[in-house]
Amino acid sequence: SQTIHQWPATLVQPVGSPLSLECTVEGTSNPNLYWYRQAAGRGLQLLFYSVGIGQISSEVPQNLSASRPQDRQFILSSKKLLLSDSGFYLCAWRTGTGVSPLHFGNGTRLTVT
Amino acid sequence: AQSVAQPEDQVNVAEGNPLTVKCTYSVSGNPYLFWYVQYPNRGLQFLLKYITGDNLVKGSYGFEAEFNKSQTSFHLKKPSALVSDSALYFCAVRDISNFGNEKLTFGTGTRLTIIP
Repeated sequence: SQTIHQWPATLVQPVGSPLSLECTVEGTSNPNLYWYRQAAGRGLQLLFYSVGIGQISSEVPQNLSASRPQDRQFILSSKKLLLSDSGFYLCAWRTGTGVSPLHFGNGTRLTVT
Repeated sequence: AQSVAQPEDQVNVAEGNPLTVKCTYSVSGNPYLFWYVQYPNRGLQFLLKYITGDNLVKGSYGFEAEFNKSQTSFHLKKPSALVSDSALYFCAVRDISNFGNEKLTFGTGTRLTIIP
């Protein structure tokens, strides 16, 4: 069966520090991968998605970037965190064909101080 | 453009009563519709989806949803609520008429509380 791993679960970082959040998927090949941010426990904002290695689409220009160095690995990064980057970051995947639903990881709660 | 509206931030239902969580959508073409549930400090879990065919879709944990094209709605329902159904529920839509559209747009969520 397929599983998605996301880490760390929680992270407290000072303003101006770098960020790296990692997400990996097991049990499937060539998944579509996504990073969402959830603010204040409510709506989800799509940040990036990837349909293949090295292919990244950005939905919202901001202080973050994403990379996909391997087929089942998706990384969210920042060179210098802002206070406004605080939130709950969710990685998700789905198969690249048809109308399969998204499957989410358990998220990373980031607090920028 | 595609969008989803969940008009109720909070829904309270007595245990054992039927529940409904409302969702309306807007797409320029044909929609794929989804419901997800989120428990505290966890990711979203998929409940059910509508693609085509029967307007009544059955999903996990006894939930179902009814697609109504004329009203552009996709309300989530359950005949008898359990306390364990208390969670945050999200409706989502993807417009399949846009080739290569990978974007799944989520509503702002409805917090469902089942009162014992």
